[in-house]
Amino acid sequence: EAGVTQFPSHSVIEKGQTVTLRCDPISGHDNLYWYRRVMGKEIKFLLHFVKESKQDESGMPNNRFLAERTGGTYSTLKVQPAELEDSGVYFCASSQDSLNTEAFFGQGTRLTVV
Amino acid sequence: ELKVEQNPLFLSMQEGKNYTIYCNYSTTSDRLYWYRQDPGKSLESLFVLLSNGAVKQEGRLMASLDTKARLSTLHITAAVHDLSATYFCAAFRWVQFYFGTGTSLTVIP
Repeated sequence: EAGVTQFPSHSVIEKGQTVTLRCDPISGHDNLYWYRRVMGKEIKFLLHFVKESKQDESGMPNNRFLAERTGGTYSTLKVQPAELEDSGVYFCASSQDSLNTEAFFGQGTRLTVV
Repeated sequence: ELKVEQNPLFLSMQEGKNYTIYCNYSTTSDRLYWYRQDPGKSLESLFVLLSNGAVKQEGRLMASLDTKARLSTLHITAAVHDLSATYFCAAFRWVQFYFGTGTSLTVIP
């Protein structure tokens, strides 16, 4: 069974450009999460989808970030326009239900804004 | 907000030695996880600790949980090179993970 996959694995963009990150969760997992680790700091929650609905987006830093999950399958996280402080590793995770014991993480997308 | 403090941030240890990574969390948590990450790879779940006094062991790694002290430890016994990785603890509450900063472990011959 395929795990959580993220694309791209690395992205280097200039300040002011737009980047879209993609996450394919494990098939059948209704819950999808985005997390971010800024250099040297802890991994922090960004938002949580249940199917196509945003359940909690309290961790989204500002309105330059837009997450979507059309059809309740894969999700995208768009940053527009990117700023230097957006650099970090963006992780996606999925689980069958939101309270169960196991969530599976992807390998992350390393975003560098120069 | 639930805060998680993990230390040390960096750990360089010789093969064969023992060491402990500490994870303190600030408020009640539903459960405590330990993850391992190798460069460019996914976060791999090592242990899930559900209740006070829980202890789990897998190979040279042993994790424990003291909910009264809000402390979890990851103990490494007789380290070997292939344990080199970054280790994260994460407290889980409601539907969210709250991560520590991670411990970058390097095991040297």
